[in-house]
Amino acid sequence: QQQVKQSPQSLIVQKGGISIINCAYENTAFDYFPWYQQFPGKGPALLIAIRPDVSEKKEGRFTISFNKSAKQFSLHIMDSQPGDSATYFCAASGQTGANNLFFGTGTRLTVIP
Amino acid sequence: NAGVTQTPKFRILKIGQSMTLQCTQDMNHNYMYWYRQDPGMGLKLIYYSVGAGITDKGEVPNGYNVSRSTTEDFPLRLELAAPSQTSVYFCASSYGTGVYEQYFGPGTRLTVT
Repeated sequence: QQQVKQSPQSLIVQKGGISIINCAYENTAFDYFPWYQQFPGKGPALLIAIRPDVSEKKEGRFTISFNKSAKQFSLHIMDSQPGDSATYFCAASGQTGANNLFFGTGTRLTVIP
Repeated sequence: NAGVTQTPKFRILKIGQSMTLQCTQDMNHNYMYWYRQDPGMGLKLIYYSVGAGITDKGEVPNGYNVSRSTTEDFPLRLELAAPSQTSVYFCASSYGTGVYEQYFGPGTRLTVT
């Protein structure tokens, strides 16, 4: 059972365009929603994260939009660059265990020059 | 700081063999985790630990064992390897209570044939 559902599976965007990746969850106990970025052959690295008490968080070209009532959150990458080409994972945590993370299935983003 | 280190980087096992994947962190983190990553499936938590001497099962623990005798080390043991254990394994760590960010190692690519 996938606790966090992510779409699309893959995404191709022109340089300078906006990349949008969506995630949905069911467990209302989740209270931390990070996005991880993974380059080929590397481990995931935290990109940006949000708590459910705010609807949006922006860091540079990366923005998380959060809709608590719909139980959805999304990552927007503005002015996408070829260097952003990577796999992106959304995740959620609810203070269980060791703040265990439940990951989405990932989105492979390709930014075309 | 080296962060989270994992050895080996690659390994090929025959069915029925055993091995230990090593994980070490030098950030004095209390929490440590083992994940497996399969194509299109995201990351699944195998085992986690909230401190030396304390471990617990994650989502997919069958076929694996862990121990945590020190804060720094969190080895993952595979007994009687099966083809279904072919995967990329990631170790991660985080500071502990109230801090959610997890830092990932570079991964171990394991093939069981």
